[in-house]
Amino acid sequence: GEDVEQSLFLSVREGDSSVINCTYTDSSSTYLYWYKQEPGAGLQLLTYIFSNMDMKQDQRLTVLLNKKDKHLSLRIADTQTGDSAIYFCAESKLPEAGNMLTFGGGTRLMVKP
Amino acid sequence: AAGVIQSPRHLIKEKRETATLKCYPIPRHDTVYWYQQGPGQDPQFLISFYEKMQSDKGSIPDRFSAQQFSDYHSELNMSSLELGDSALYFCASSSGTGGSYEQYFGPGTRLTVT
Repeated sequence: GEDVEQSLFLSVREGDSSVINCTYTDSSSTYLYWYKQEPGAGLQLLTYIFSNMDMKQDQRLTVLLNKKDKHLSLRIADTQTGDSAIYFCAESKLPEAGNMLTFGGGTRLMVKP
Repeated sequence: AAGVIQSPRHLIKEKRETATLKCYPIPRHDTVYWYQQGPGQDPQFLISFYEKMQSDKGSIPDRFSAQQFSDYHSELNMSSLELGDSALYFCASSSGTGGSYEQYFGPGTRLTVT
């Protein structure tokens, strides 16, 4: 989407860390999400962060939010071949403007063995 | 755990035909969202319902309509189908539009218009 931007492609080796970046334009975004989509499948909610937080860690996933720069990142530690997928960041403005999600264009992560 | 159910999973229609997509939210979820994902694109929000009332409207064409029923399932009705309507249609559900920030997506319905 125009309001949320991501790089198109990332390639890493198995066992390395992956960092997927996302920028958004709307400072009123309140929740920021990461979804994973495998080929032909639905969107799996990985994690989310509230806009008053700087960091959130959940097992191998670390989300960093720089609200000043409107920059969000997802770090995947010890990346595995099963992590190969398209990763979408998304934002919502709950509760002021409902909870519809605005997605970025997605980053295709390829993990090489 | 129960997930969002969508049916059918695949649908092939011809131009100018109609299609109905169904969505069954996670039990006790009262909010349903519809998204459209074109080939190689990000999902675009179409419409949402909370407690059987339309809550938000996105880029949904006038040819499309939707509703949420008393059992909270939702249907997306699409008429006068066009080739450009070919896409993955996702339904997502959450619990309460004012308080829940977690949307869970179904597997999608792949609509092909020929």
